[in-house]
Amino acid sequence: DIQMTQSPSTLSASVGDRVTITCRASQSIGPWLAWYQQKPGKAPKLLIYKASNLESGVPSRFSGSGSGVEFTLTISSLQPDDFATYYCQQYNSRFPYTFGQGTKLEIK
Amino acid sequence: QITLKESGPTLVKPTQTLTLTCTFSGFSLRSSGEAVGWIRQPPGKALEWLALIYWDGDKRYSSSLKSRLTITKDTSNNQVVLTMTNMDPVDTATYYCAHGGASDYRIDSWGQGTLVTVSS
Repeated sequence: DIQMTQSPSTLSASVGDRVTITCRASQSIGPWLAWYQQKPGKAPKLLIYKASNLESGVPSRFSGSGSGVEFTLTISSLQPDDFATYYCQQYNSRFPYTFGQGTKLEIK
Repeated sequence: QITLKESGPTLVKPTQTLTLTCTFSGFSLRSSGEAVGWIRQPPGKALEWLALIYWDGDKRYSSSLKSRLTITKDTSNNQVVLTMTNMDPVDTATYYCAHGGASDYRIDSWGQGTLVTVSS
């Protein structure tokens, strides 16, 4: 399976900060990458699909970029509701889908 | 509006087979561009992809669990079933079913999840 590696595993930041999370694939997946936000006890929520497309209803402070093997999720100005765990996931249909190990975004 | 709901046992014994059912509404697995998948999450740990079944019957499985998993669909009843054999305590997790759609099969809707505990 394609391995997805996220960095950092934990990120401490303050409200208003700009933060970036990186996801690297073990081989090229084209643009087929999604980002999810998960809060404790809840199912994940889709934020970004096809690397850079914002899911309907997701605030515009979230953005994604990248293609091939390296991708980033950026939150332009952190809000209190954004403190959560974030996962990347590749969904190139040639392969079994796989998730990154997650990035926990904590309040500094 | 797409909804999905998982059902099945909350407790299974080691070596038993787990059978989970996902009942969904708001889309049809007869339609091109639709898929349903299963994902699990052990307590306090990361998400793990398990399996996906496409509208045309094609299937994908996690390579590490492929020998233990079977995913099937019942399009008449809008259900997808996942079976996992030879359950072990390390399989204790919340199991989610999810919708893959929009023709690129991105996972855009999730069920609430069901916690399955493996213990004797």
